[in-house]
Amino acid sequence: DSGVTQTPKHLITATGQRVTLRCSPRSGDLSVYWYQQSLDQGLQFLIHYYNGEERAKGNILERFSAQQFPDLHSELNLSSLELGDSALYFCASSPRHVGYEQYFGPGTRLTVT
Amino acid sequence: QQQVKQSPQSLIVQKGGISIINCAYENTAFDYFPWYQQFPGKGPALLIAIRPDVSEKKEGRFTISFNKSAKQFSLHIMDSQPGDSATYFCAANRDQGAQKLVFGQGTRLTINP
Repeated sequence: DSGVTQTPKHLITATGQRVTLRCSPRSGDLSVYWYQQSLDQGLQFLIHYYNGEERAKGNILERFSAQQFPDLHSELNLSSLELGDSALYFCASSPRHVGYEQYFGPGTRLTVT
Repeated sequence: QQQVKQSPQSLIVQKGGISIINCAYENTAFDYFPWYQQFPGKGPALLIAIRPDVSEKKEGRFTISFNKSAKQFSLHIMDSQPGDSATYFCAANRDQGAQKLVFGQGTRLTINP
């Protein structure tokens, strides 16, 4: 157990809908990273927050957004969902803004029908 | 330049044998190279990591070999066990700029009893 928690574990929704994925980092970790894992694209970095501020963006779609709250938990919002958004979404946390050691949560499996 | 190429895609090894997974990178700014182990339905778990100032790091049955001039690194699993059957990902990160992990495509390792 990495100490990173994610909810929900599974999510099934329809195209066009909006969902929110939640992540709580390990105690004391200030950095939260979001990754998408799909069969064809592998593990892709989406976005990084450090202590409430956005630090880096990867190949994150404009329909996706994220934030990190004062209690350091983070939410990833996915809107106007398409079939291709079906994937595993992981968050990882790290104690510093330089994310050398990133610890991954169990993931949220999103299925868009 | 941000890619990390991993091979093979899948690997079958007999119990007690040595499993070897290889990765290559292009971006010489990378300065941290971790390996992650992922079991079905779980998030990636940090296994072992190396920095370019050393050529080898060993932790138990797991060893990373690093060749800076060739821009290659590999994971060796000695005395492979059925419990090692999982998907392994190499990754790379750098201190400056976007502190994101760039992952290889993964290797599905099967250890036959």
